Amino acid sequence: AQTVTQSQPEMSVQEAETVTLSCTYDTSESDYYLFWYKQPPSRQMILVIRQEAYKQQNATENRFSVNFQKAAKSFSLKISDSQLGDAAMYFCAYITQGGSEKLVFGKGTKLTVNP
Amino acid sequence: DTGVSQDPRHKITKRGQNVTFRCDPISEHNRLYWYRQTLGQGPEFLTYFQNEAQLEKSRLLSDRFSAERPKGSFSTLEIQRTEQGDSAMYLCASSPQGASNSPLHFGNGTRLTVT
Repeated sequence: AQTVTQSQPEMSVQEAETVTLSCTYDTSESDYYLFWYKQPPSRQMILVIRQEAYKQQNATENRFSVNFQKAAKSFSLKISDSQLGDAAMYFCAYITQGGSEKLVFGKGTKLTVNP
Repeated sequence: DTGVSQDPRHKITKRGQNVTFRCDPISEHNRLYWYRQTLGQGPEFLTYFQNEAQLEKSRLLSDRFSAERPKGSFSTLEIQRTEQGDSAMYLCASSPQGASNSPLHFGNGTRLTVT
């Protein structure tokens, strides 16, 4: 069974600084997708960034970028120039390609941004 | 695009009672998902609809749980004979394509407390 592990229950960062959230996953599949979702307090969960496993190039979305290491099954999220609005729970998630519609989520990392 | 709407936001019920939750997806989205999120955990997949067809069910969805999506529009999730272990946030999400190809749009969730 596929599993997603986020080893940092909580992280904090100073405003304008950079922070990296860790995620590892376990799968025997070769084709899959990885995601980071953000869940602000009392607000809806939204997609931050998406990575296709067959692409070697790391995905970037403005201040958000990933470090995808397929052999190591590692998928970390880097947030640059952190802003107060980045404070949220961040969930790493995995899905196989062309099969189940089941997204497998990690337990999440709570990010605090200090002014 | 009014977003995914879930009703009610909160539900408190006594053990043994039945409860029903409603989800209204984004109107042009033909795919609808239910997830359950307990405290300190990431969302766990429950079930998935494409239009009115329920195509995938998790083993978490015991016989006491049933979900429907009549006419491929809104969906309901019913829990019969509730147990304290059913206390959780129930999240609904919709998507125009599969979860690997397009982001899931989540609602605010229904928080269930079973006393």
